[in-house]
Amino acid sequence: EADIYQTPRYLVIGTGKKITLECSQTMGHDKMYWYQQDPGMELHLIHYSYGVNSTEKGDLSSESTVSRIRTEHFPLTLESARPSHTSQYLCASSYSGQVLTFGAGSRLTVL
Amino acid sequence: RKEVEQDPGPFNVPEGATVAFNCTYSNSASQSFFWYRQDCRKEPKLLMSVYSSGNEDGRFTAQLNRASQYISLLIRDSKLSDSATYLCVQAWGGADGLTFGKGTHLIIQP
Repeated sequence: EADIYQTPRYLVIGTGKKITLECSQTMGHDKMYWYQQDPGMELHLIHYSYGVNSTEKGDLSSESTVSRIRTEHFPLTLESARPSHTSQYLCASSYSGQVLTFGAGSRLTVL
Repeated sequence: RKEVEQDPGPFNVPEGATVAFNCTYSNSASQSFFWYRQDCRKEPKLLMSVYSSGNEDGRFTAQLNRASQYISLLIRDSKLSDSATYLCVQAWGGADGLTFGKGTHLIIQP
């Protein structure tokens, strides 16, 4: 049923490693987003994109970077993971910019 | 600043009861509002849009009060499966024009 996919679902990695969280959607949506959410806490927008070759930073400062080379693909990269990056990362896409469809999330633990 | 405020709860409600909670917003220019549901350790999913005239979907009713700047969600005949966190979302257009509330945690007890 899911039209937006995130991999990996779970990742445990050591400090200093480079990681890329993948997000792909098959709905042809131009707008895509990355949110960060700690357990029991609110969603924080860290990156978004209006379309191909468009990327913007969100409300929450993040050391991660994103790229949007293809409409369906919006990967998030951390060049050097730290324990403070431990969190759940949720990718979403939208046609209208109002109603979002979320992926199942990538739960990252940095040791 | 765009603010959306929700009572975090938890609201502990017996099965079969009616429960309602509100969400207040500060940006009066907002055009659209939504309720999302998020189960524990899952992603948020759209529950319903909130229209000026109010809207109903089965046991769920959402209403918008622009004069007092709040939206509400009413759940009738609550089920155990209604236990979740309910997120209020305010939209005003643009790719980043969404503000999520912190959510209201609802626990339906048998």
